[in-house]
Amino acid sequence: SQKIEQNSEALNIQEGKTATLTCNYTNYSPAYLQWYRQDPGRGPVFLLLIRENEKEKRKERLKVTFDTTLKQSLFHITASQPADSATYLCALEGGTGNQFYFGTGTSLTVIP
Amino acid sequence: SAVISQKPSRDICQRGTSLTIQCQVDSQVTMMFWYRQQPGQSLTLIATANQGSEATYESGFVIDKFPISRPNLTFSTLTVSNMSPEDSSIYLCSVAHVANTEAFFGQGTRLTVV
Repeated sequence: SQKIEQNSEALNIQEGKTATLTCNYTNYSPAYLQWYRQDPGRGPVFLLLIRENEKEKRKERLKVTFDTTLKQSLFHITASQPADSATYLCALEGGTGNQFYFGTGTSLTVIP
Repeated sequence: SAVISQKPSRDICQRGTSLTIQCQVDSQVTMMFWYRQQPGQSLTLIATANQGSEATYESGFVIDKFPISRPNLTFSTLTVSNMSPEDSSIYLCSVAHVANTEAFFGQGTRLTVV
């Protein structure tokens, strides 16, 4: 089965800096990969989807890269704000194109 | 987008009993999934709810313990059967309009088994 690991359970950064979160997987390369944000007591909220033939995807202050050789995705938040504090989850398509599986998650805290 | 209503939002149950969680979506969706999120952990996929047929369960999850129904394209239920304290968790319904696209999540059902 796919093993999906996200770097460090918790990440603290200063406001205004760029936060970089890592998602590594071990087995097959998924056709696409997604990033979600989860706030306490809430369900995950979709942020970005990147497909295997895309190297980079951007949305406002967010940027995702997908390196199928390294089996890694990087998620960047530029000009971070305290409101960006949350848990961020990567999710990989499961091989059949239907279901997807979540990584371990990284808790981000942006310090004012 | 899709708006998902999950009921109940939370419950405290006695061990050995069963709880059925409902997931109602405001539009027809192709894909429906059930996840479990244990305290401080990430999400674990329980099963894919298939409309009109048996659900597809992930390794470690069985139909006798987690029976799932999906009578139409907007509704699904997950039952947690013969509960034990180890079943205490948040159970989340998730939907996607088609495969390979973003998923939407309900608020979750926080279950405590005593």
